[in-house]
Formats: sequence, structure tokens, C-alpha cells
Amino acid sequence: DQQVKQNSPSLSVQEGRISILNCDYTNSMFDYFLWYKKYPAEGPTFLISISSIKDKNEDGRFTVFLNKSAKHLSLHIVPSQPGDSAVYFCAASQGGGSQGNLIFGKGTKLSVKP
Amino acid sequence: EAGVAQSPRYKIIEKRQSVAFWCNPISGHATLYWYQQILGQGPKLLIQFQNNGVVDDSQLPKDRFSAERLKGVDSTLKIQPAKLEDSAVYLCASSLDEVRQGQEEQFFGPGTRLTVL
Repeated sequence: DQQVKQNSPSLSVQEGRISILNCDYTNSMFDYFLWYKKYPAEGPTFLISISSIKDKNEDGRFTVFLNKSAKHLSLHIVPSQPGDSAVYFCAASQGGGSQGNLIFGKGTKLSVKP
Repeated sequence: EAGVAQSPRYKIIEKRQSVAFWCNPISGHATLYWYQQILGQGPKLLIQFQNNGVVDDSQLPKDRFSAERLKGVDSTLKIQPAKLEDSAVYLCASSLDEVRQGQEEQFFGPGTRLTVL
């Protein structure tokens, strides 16, 4: 039973356009959400996060939106760059801090074409 | 700042053999995690240590998997005996033992890719 779902295995976007990656979750106890980016042969690297008390968090070209009523979050990348091509994982935790373990989705492979 | 180190990077073994992976977390990070990432899936937590104590090992198949972090720094994960379905990337991650604005930022190592034949 997947608690964090990324229903799009892949996404292709033109350079300069917006990339929107989606994530749904089922556990209403999750209170912290993160996005990780993974290049081949490397470990995931933290990208951006959002607490359940917020509905938006922005960091440069990256913005995460959280819709708690729909149990849905999305990552927007504007403008997309070829270097953004990677697998993006959505993750969620409950209890925050170092006590909560992360539940990951299956990932979405983003390809940004020049 | 040095990142999370893992070795070996790749390992190929036959089923029923044993294998061990090593992880050295970022200096000063009290919490260490081992994840299993099967191809096409997201990472799944196997075990979480806080210093040298186990916080969560509920998803560790304890009949064949074991892990230790004796001095609260580096850690080893062992599989004995290995099965075909253990083929995966084993990721180690570490984090500071503090809550900063509710953020749980884990820093991952490059992983060990295990192939069981």
C-alpha cells in the first residue's frame, strides 16, 4: 500500500518552460514533505521542503505547493534547464525532525530538452 | 564539508552468499539511515540509528539483514544469506539530531549497487 504516489513515471519539457511534478499522499498524519533530486549513480540530494502549516514554499526556480484537503503537492521548476534533468522523488514524514522516517514515492524522471 | 561515504560502490554475489556494506556519515551527524532502493522504486527505510542506538528497524528483514553502529559514527549493513530479491541499491544517509523549522534534511551517500545472481 503506497502512502506516497507519483503517478507520472516520466515528464519531458522544453528548456525555458515550466516543469510541474505531482505527488499524492494518503496518510493524513504526514506533516512534512520534501522533494529530492537524483542523478544517475548518485544518491538523492535534498531540493526543497514544506511544512503542513504552509501551502507554498519557494526557493529560486523551485516552488512547492501543498493542498492538504486534496492530499496533493506539486513541484514547479521555472524556467526549466537541461541540468534539471534527473529523477525527482517526493517524500513525506510525520512527526518532523530527526524522529520521523521518510516515505518516498517511486519518482518521476524529468527530461529537459534544449 | 565531506559528504556521506559508502563502500563498495558495486558488488556482485551469488545467492546464499553474504555481503557487507560500509557507511561513514557526515561528521557530527547523530542520525544515520540505511535505505534499500529496488529498481523503479523509491528508497525504503531499513533501519535508523540515533548515535549508536536503533530508533526504527521495523522494516529490516531481521532473519537475514543486520546492521550496527557500534561507536555512533560509521555503520555496516550485512546480508546473510542473500536472495535474488535483495538486488538493489543500498543507500546510507545521515542527518543532524536537531529540528530546524521542522526540517528533516537527510544527506545521502552515492549508494552501493548489489546484484545477486
